[in-house]
Amino acid sequence: GAVVSQHPSWVICKSGTSVKIECRSLDFQATTMFWYRQFPKQSLMLMATSNEGSKATYEQGVEKDKFLINHASLTLSTLTVTSAHPEDSSFYICSAREELAGGNTQYFGPGTRLTVL
Amino acid sequence: GIQVEQSPPDLILQEGANSTLRCNFSDSVNNLQWFHQNPWGQLINLFYIPSGTKQNGRLSATTVATERYSLLYISSSQTTDSGVYFCAGGYSSASKIIFGSGTRLSIRP
Repeated sequence: GAVVSQHPSWVICKSGTSVKIECRSLDFQATTMFWYRQFPKQSLMLMATSNEGSKATYEQGVEKDKFLINHASLTLSTLTVTSAHPEDSSFYICSAREELAGGNTQYFGPGTRLTVL
Repeated sequence: GIQVEQSPPDLILQEGANSTLRCNFSDSVNNLQWFHQNPWGQLINLFYIPSGTKQNGRLSATTVATERYSLLYISSSQTTDSGVYFCAGGYSSASKIIFGSGTRLSIRP
């Protein structure tokens, strides 16, 4: 149990285009999901907390108009990188907490590797 | 906010060796997790351990909440244990968690 999927697993796009990444909790419901970014050989940096049915909470320094988050259901959150540029190239990882079942653990998706040319 | 320090940053061991990884927190946390990130980037949950000791096979973890640190023990290392080990902590089970910088473990055959 407690599986989180992400789609796509990798994407290459041209500078100026927008890219949408999906995060799904496959066998549990999550009112809260989290989006992280990881640069090579670095740690995970929290970008935002995604709340089902309400606006996301962004960490300091993260542009909310550039990284659009939508948490439309208890099993799906999406991250859209708008007008992507080469500096947005990174490994994006989502997680979900199995809170409705009383769990405290965050479970992570396999990540999406974004390359902007 | 919480700051998380991990040590050592890198560790190279022969297969069969034991190791201890440490995580220090700048503040008291009530939510503490250990993860293993494999070479493909997937984070694997190892332990949810805000206090006390837990064991799972060759891995065990101990958190001393009053002294704001946690230890991860790996015994009889195997090459498949290679990867980056992260600890992460938060103020409560409902809060966000902040990651440490990780320990990169390489197990040589």
